Parts: sequence; structure tokens; C-alpha cells
Amino acid sequence: NAGVTQTPKFQVLKTGQSMTLQCAQDMNHEYMSWYRQDPGMGLRLIHYSVGAGITDQGEVPNGYNVSRSTTEDFPLRLLSAAPSQTSVYFCASSYSVQGLATGELFFGEGSRLTVL
Amino acid sequence: AQKITQTQPGMFVQEKEAVTLDCTYDTSDQSYGLFWYKQPSSGEMIFLIYQGSYDEQNATEGRYSLNFQKARKSANLVISASQLGDSAMYFCAMREPENSGGSNYKLTFGKGTLLTVNP
Repeated sequence: NAGVTQTPKFQVLKTGQSMTLQCAQDMNHEYMSWYRQDPGMGLRLIHYSVGAGITDQGEVPNGYNVSRSTTEDFPLRLLSAAPSQTSVYFCASSYSVQGLATGELFFGEGSRLTVL
Repeated sequence: AQKITQTQPGMFVQEKEAVTLDCTYDTSDQSYGLFWYKQPSSGEMIFLIYQGSYDEQNATEGRYSLNFQKARKSANLVISASQLGDSAMYFCAMREPENSGGSNYKLTFGKGTLLTVNP
């Protein structure tokens, strides 16, 4: 049972570098999302997608790009990393957001990113 | 304005006792859902319990129950018979329609409550 898989689990970047956090799910979930978790801030939504080819911004989208070319994958791209993007990132997915019973999110294990 | 408010940054409870973690929410939608997640020190997010806005009875899942008071917009988590393994960060979250059509949903999290269970 793979569920939601995030890679890498740890990454250190220098300011200005780019990188992609990978997220894949094998549950055929239509809804996928990225959150960042910072101390004292809870989890904040960065971007989300309700299906292949559809993405939208969350609460804190600046500095991040996403795409959804397949149902399974939802990568998060940092084009020019900044120290303010030092955080723990979670990918999460859910069944279709329409007509669902609970819509609970299934989370990946998290990716700890440090930007120097 | 915060949509989910957890006023208790930290809570302590003795093993085997019950504890209530507070959560209040703010929404103008009639259809919404409330969730509680647990995050142990290992970092993973574990779904605990769900309450729909139209559910008349409080949700229960084993030792977890959700005290849903719709008029007060509160959704407190009650953990009965606390265990040492319950020590973790607990997050309250709300799902509400993004727009009036309800075709998109976003899950908004509170800032969390750190629960410590003492032996």
C-alpha cells in the first residue's frame, strides 16, 4: 500500500536554486494538494488540483508552481528558492471533492526543505 | 480572520484521564466538514475523525469523539482514557465549498494543540 509518496524527504538548497518536490498517489484520487507546515502556523495550502489538467492557488502560492498532467502525479516546483521557503512540505490527496462522504485527506510523509 | 481557531497551544493530561481539545470555526456556508488530525513527533499526519455539518449526532471513533456544537461553531475533540501514545500535535481542520456552487473544496487547518500525556 504505497498511498501518497513524496520525494525527497530531505533537501538543502542555496538561495536562488530551483528544485521539484515530487508527489505521487496510487489511489486514483482526483484531488491533490500541497501544504507547507511552519512552527506555530499549522498547515497552509499552497496549490491544489481537482483533476488532471486543473490546478488552482491556495493560501500561500507565491514562489511555487504546480502542474497536473496525470491523475497520479502532482509535482511542486520552486523556481528560485528563498530562505522563507524553508519548511516541511506535505502532499495530500483525496477522493473526488464532489459528493464525497468525508473527503479526508491522505498525507505523504512530508519533505523537509532547508534554504540557506 | 482565522477560519479555524485552536486556542490551546499546549495541553497536559494524566494517563487514563479524558481531555478536550478546543476548536472553533468560522464559515458562512451551510455545507462544510470538520476534521481532526494527529501528528506525532515522527511527523506523519493521521486522520482521526470527521463531522459533517448536517450530521445530527456527534461523531465517534473509538476513544475519540467530536463534540459538535453548531450554533456555537465549535468542534472540540474529546479523547477518553488518554494513553502515552496520544502525545502529539492535534490539528482541527474545516472543509468548505470554495464557491457557492460547491464544486471545489479546500481544507483549512488550525495552528494545532500540542498534547502531552503524563504517566
